[in-house]
Amino acid sequence: AQSVTQLGSHVSVSEGALVLLRCNYSSSVPPYLFWYVQYPNQGLQLLLKYTTGATLVKGINGFEAEFKKSETSFHLTKPSAHMSDAAEYFCAVSTPYYNQGGKLIFGQGTELSVKP
Amino acid sequence: DVKVTQSSRYLVKRTGEKVFLECVQDMDHENMFWYRQDPGLGLRLIYFSYDVKMKEKGDIPEGYSVSREKKERFSLILESASTNQTSMYLCASSLGGQETQYFGPGTRLLVL
Repeated sequence: AQSVTQLGSHVSVSEGALVLLRCNYSSSVPPYLFWYVQYPNQGLQLLLKYTTGATLVKGINGFEAEFKKSETSFHLTKPSAHMSDAAEYFCAVSTPYYNQGGKLIFGQGTELSVKP
Repeated sequence: DVKVTQSSRYLVKRTGEKVFLECVQDMDHENMFWYRQDPGLGLRLIYFSYDVKMKEKGDIPEGYSVSREKKERFSLILESASTNQTSMYLCASSLGGQETQYFGPGTRLLVL
């Protein structure tokens, strides 16, 4: 069975500092991995996804994530935080079976705060 | 742009009431999903549908049912609302398989 663990429910960084949000997964088959962002009172928006191929994935708003199979990790990074990055971030893994419609298993979420 | 809309942003209902949450997508997506979101628990799948009139239970289907009579519309029904169903409900849709899921803005439901 798939599962996702996000380390740290709250992360606080200063504006301009590196953002690192950690995600570890377990999966019995090659995973599809996603990072979503949720701004206050909004739905989830896709930041980036890994399916196959290049392990370093670039997403929107300057975020990127690296798939490391040996570490079963998919950590999200951004070199320089901006105030507008304050939001909740969710890591998710997808099940690959067609008749299950690509179900997503989500981590618990990490709330990112950015200090001026 | 993919658009997923939900019928209400905020709802207040009383215990025992029947509650309908509606979701509509405009991208001809095959799959539709209902999640509930609670602090510290992330999103948990209630039900999903991979075709009209087809439905599959997710991880927490108890107390809920769904209906998909048309491809673009997926309804979540709380037959008899209870206070422990107070939550944020999110609808999503995708083309199929493991394609990206697109989310609606959510409905915040309070059951008194």
